[in-house]
Amino acid sequence: DQQVKQNSPSLSVQEGRISILNCDYTNSMFDYFLWYKKYPAEGPTFLISISSIKDKNEDGRFTVFLNKSAKHLSLHIVPSQPGDSAVYFCAAGVQGGSEKLVFGKGTKLTVNP
Amino acid sequence: GAGVSQSPSNKVTEKGKDVELRCDPISGHTALYWYRQSLGQGLEFLIYFQGNSAPDKSGLPSDRFSAERTGGSVSTLTIQRTQQEDSAVYLCASRKRSGGPSTDTQYFGPGTRLTVL
Repeated sequence: DQQVKQNSPSLSVQEGRISILNCDYTNSMFDYFLWYKKYPAEGPTFLISISSIKDKNEDGRFTVFLNKSAKHLSLHIVPSQPGDSAVYFCAAGVQGGSEKLVFGKGTKLTVNP
Repeated sequence: GAGVSQSPSNKVTEKGKDVELRCDPISGHTALYWYRQSLGQGLEFLIYFQGNSAPDKSGLPSDRFSAERTGGSVSTLTIQRTQQEDSAVYLCASRKRSGGPSTDTQYFGPGTRLTVL
């Protein structure tokens, strides 16, 4: 039973355009959400997070949007660059306790020059 | 660098053998997590340490899996009598502390790729 779902295994965009990665969750207890980026043979690298009390968080080219009523979040990358090509994981957690993260299966983003 | 390190980077073993995987967290980080990523899957939580104690072991798949942490630093994940389904990348993450703000994120090591023949 997947609590965090990334329904698109892959996404391909042109350099300079917007990349939109989507994530859905089922557990209403989740109160914070993160995006991690992973290159081959490396561990995931934290990209951006958002608390459930917000609906948007922006950091440079990266913006995460949260729609709590739809249990949906998305990551926007504008403009996309070839160096952004990686696997992106959506993760969710509950503050307090162990704060272990529940991850989606990832979306492989390819940005074409 | 001062990131999370893991050893070995790759481990090939025969079914039925025991393996030990090591994690060196970022200095000063009190919270430590083990995850694993099987082929085509997301990261799956295994166990969480706060200091040397493990208040959440809910992700360990069977009693063949165990972990310990000493000195509030290094952690070892042990898999006894390995099976082919144990083949995965095992990732360790550390965090300054649990119970902090959500922006106090987990930092991951590069992982150990375990292959059980």
